Amino acid sequence: DAEITQSPRHKITETGRQVTLACHQTWNHNNMFWYRQDLGHGLRLIHYSYGVQDTNKGEVSDGYSVSRSNTEDLPLTLESAASSQTSVYFCASSDPGTSGSGGELFFGEGSRLTVL
Amino acid sequence: GQQVMQIPQYQHVQEGEDFTTYCNSSTTLSNIQWYKQRPGGHPVFLIQLVKSGEVKKQKRLTFQFGEAKKNSSLHITATQTTDVGTYFCAGRGSGTYKYIFGTGTRLKVLA
Repeated sequence: DAEITQSPRHKITETGRQVTLACHQTWNHNNMFWYRQDLGHGLRLIHYSYGVQDTNKGEVSDGYSVSRSNTEDLPLTLESAASSQTSVYFCASSDPGTSGSGGELFFGEGSRLTVL
Repeated sequence: GQQVMQIPQYQHVQEGEDFTTYCNSSTTLSNIQWYKQRPGGHPVFLIQLVKSGEVKKQKRLTFQFGEAKKNSSLHITATQTTDVGTYFCAGRGSGTYKYIFGTGTRLKVLA
């Protein structure tokens, strides 16, 4: 069965370190998204991609970067981790389909990041 | 930029009572989706609404999309303990495939 997986599921790091969260999907979806979830804020869009070599900034992109070298993967990098980036991170993918409505989002299990 | 607000933030209901969550966008939407997230889980797609004034039902759940395509609601009739979780709306503007999520409504059902 097709799926979307995130790793690591839990990570503790120190302020200033570079961290990369992996996201791998086997749906063959062109659209991939990274969201962060914090209490009181819901899910906020960090970065997204509509295909290979395409990346776009979301609502809260400062301090984060992504790259899309193939269809399956969209790694999220925190260049210099800050305590404000302690959060649960969700990766999602979708297929816009023939209707062009964007399609439903399939989410990974999430990565819980703690920055000390 | 596009903003999506959702109320209430929390709702505690007795099992068997009804529940409604409301979603309002600052801009006109092309379509809206609803997701459910169980405690400790990830969001799971429930439904998509596309047309102005559209109403869709899934068993005890009724979803509505406003005439102006700027607001939506989810109504659950006779809640059950299995309905516990956070419900999110997610709106998409025109010319994009990205979805902006509402802040979510956390539902607790007391048996």
